[in-house]
Amino acid sequence: QVQLVQSGAEVKKPGASVKVSCKPSGYTFTSYSLHWVRQAPGQRLEWLGWVTPGTGYTKYSQKFQGRITITRDTSANTAYMELSSLMSEDTAIYYCARDMATASYKVYFDLWGQGTLVTVSS
Amino acid sequence: SYELTQAPSVSVSPGQTASITCSGDKLGDKYICWYQKKPGQSPVLVIYQNNKRPSGIPERFSGSNSGNTATLTISGTQAMDEADYYCQVWDSSVVFGGGTKLTVL
Repeated sequence: QVQLVQSGAEVKKPGASVKVSCKPSGYTFTSYSLHWVRQAPGQRLEWLGWVTPGTGYTKYSQKFQGRITITRDTSANTAYMELSSLMSEDTAIYYCARDMATASYKVYFDLWGQGTLVTVSS
Repeated sequence: SYELTQAPSVSVSPGQTASITCSGDKLGDKYICWYQKKPGQSPVLVIYQNNKRPSGIPERFSGSNSGNTATLTISGTQAMDEADYYCQVWDSSVVFGGGTKLTVL
């Protein structure tokens, strides 16, 4: 079965970091880029960045530059998203999503993880 | 930064046609896709590259994109189509619209 399985919910204090994992199954890990998208309560979907598992290339949203790190471990077939200096506004559901497009300007997400709730609270 | 604008809400009667629009500067020059999002569930791709339907998406979903406006059309809307719909493009980064809540009543 083709799916993306994410790690479980996290509760963090302001200023801490969180690392969320995303493990694809049912297809070759290095074949498609993986993106991270979040949705805060009552807010729109928001893009954080992507990793190309085959090369390790990453690109981040300017909004999160300096605070986000997306990595991949090809031996574990897993991608990771780490967000640091957490604030209450980072409370959201974080999703990983597969990009099937052959070029960035055609990007679309055909497969999504189940989501990981990250709660930032003192 | 590039912005996509969607109406906050659209209402439609069952069996009728729902049109959900997304507007942006020269949007027709870009590839747009649409996602359906229901509460407590992950987004589902319903249209990609302007007008292509992924496998498993009913034929009642269609898309168009021209000028400054893209439209997601749902023909013969069903109660199960009630959800939030988001448009998305690439403009040096991934950009999402604000979402439209479709109510079927």
